[in-house]
Amino acid sequence: AQKVTQAQTEISVVEKEDVTLDCVYETRDTTYYLFWYKQPPSGELVFLIRRNSFDEQNEISGRYSWNFQKSTSSFNFTITASQVVDSAVYFCALLYSSASKIIFGSGTRLSIRP
Amino acid sequence: DTGVSQDPRHKITKRGQNVTFRCDPISEHNRLYWYRQTLGQGPEFLTYFQNEAQLEKSRLLSDRFSAERPKGSFSTLEIQRTEQGDSAMYLCASSLGSGPNYNEQFFGPGTRLTVL
Repeated sequence: AQKVTQAQTEISVVEKEDVTLDCVYETRDTTYYLFWYKQPPSGELVFLIRRNSFDEQNEISGRYSWNFQKSTSSFNFTITASQVVDSAVYFCALLYSSASKIIFGSGTRLSIRP
Repeated sequence: DTGVSQDPRHKITKRGQNVTFRCDPISEHNRLYWYRQTLGQGPEFLTYFQNEAQLEKSRLLSDRFSAERPKGSFSTLEIQRTEQGDSAMYLCASSLGSGPNYNEQFFGPGTRLTVL
């Protein structure tokens, strides 16, 4: 089965705290891609990152970092020094090589309190 | 604006009416996708096109739903005899379809449908 699980439904932290959003995926394919998208209140899905299954290097982009671990089928997302503008719903997603459609998790609603 | 655009952004209709949504992809993208997102859930795949050919349809796409992409550019999604369960956000995405970033899907702002 191809599946993405985001166990954290909602997270609320105070501004400037670090926060990690968890993502666990399932796939039988050896070639696949993992994504994170941000959905602010306006509703548009904003692409954040894509990682392919052969590249386990962690990535940092400003205050954002991603930890990909094939051994645990996880692709976690950390926001350092969170800001109110980070408040949104974040989706982890999977695209396996034999498919064209992206499979999304159910999302984590992140609220950053001033 | 060179992103994916969708029209209308909001649609309110009465049960039983037909509705049609339009999506204009990024101009050089030859793949176009439709997803549906219900409240509190992630988007779910409905269908996708490679140029004008509809290559895959989800079981979610009942016979009341039809999508077209007649000239391989914009696409329309029509829902006939709408039901209250059709209320959702309908998202369109496009991707290049070839090259190293072929599967990077860029999403439009969505059309929010409310069926009364």
